[in-house]
Amino acid sequence: GAVVSQHPSRVICKSGTSVKIECRSLDFQATTMFWYRQFPKQSLMLMATSNEGSKATYEQGVEKDKFLINHASLTLSTLTVTSAHPEDSSFYICSARSRQGSNQPQHFGDGTRLSIL
Amino acid sequence: RKEVEQDPGPFNVPEGATVAFNCTYSNSASQSFFWYRQDCRKEPKLLMSVYSSGNEDGRFTAQLNRASQYISLLIRDSKLSDSATYLCVVNLSGGYNKLIFGAGTRLAVHP
Repeated sequence: GAVVSQHPSRVICKSGTSVKIECRSLDFQATTMFWYRQFPKQSLMLMATSNEGSKATYEQGVEKDKFLINHASLTLSTLTVTSAHPEDSSFYICSARSRQGSNQPQHFGDGTRLSIL
Repeated sequence: RKEVEQDPGPFNVPEGATVAFNCTYSNSASQSFFWYRQDCRKEPKLLMSVYSSGNEDGRFTAQLNRASQYISLLIRDSKLSDSATYLCVVNLSGGYNKLIFGAGTRLAVHP
């Protein structure tokens, strides 16, 4: 149980393109979803926390106008990297937590590897 | 100073060896602690939670020392399949609210 699906798993596109990544909780309702970014040999860094039906909370240094987050339903959150540039190339991972509260574990999607040429 | 610090390794050990990883965290208000495992180019997966009383799950033993702000993971009888990066993770507000990840310690188990 507690499966989180992330799509696409791999994206290669030209600089200036906007890329949308989907994160779905398949067998539970997720009131909260988290978006992380991981550069090679570095730790996962939380970018933003997404709560269903409300605006996302962004971490310091993360541009909300560049990384658009939508969490319109209890099973889907999307991250759109707008006008992506080579420095945005990274491994993006989402996680989801059930509606039962903050003591529930986060379940991770299998990540999206984004490469901007 | 990083919020969670780990030795990046790699630790290269033969099958059957016992290996220990350490981690330190900077925020004394951290309330919950975990070890995650991450395989190359994959998502992290929860290995175990860490408690002050120590906890064991098969070949894996985790320990927390709050006074020293130090967390450890011991793996006994290493298997080839244990090869991965082990991430030390802390949470400031308890439970699984906001996780702070260390950069990980890489383990390579060889025949």
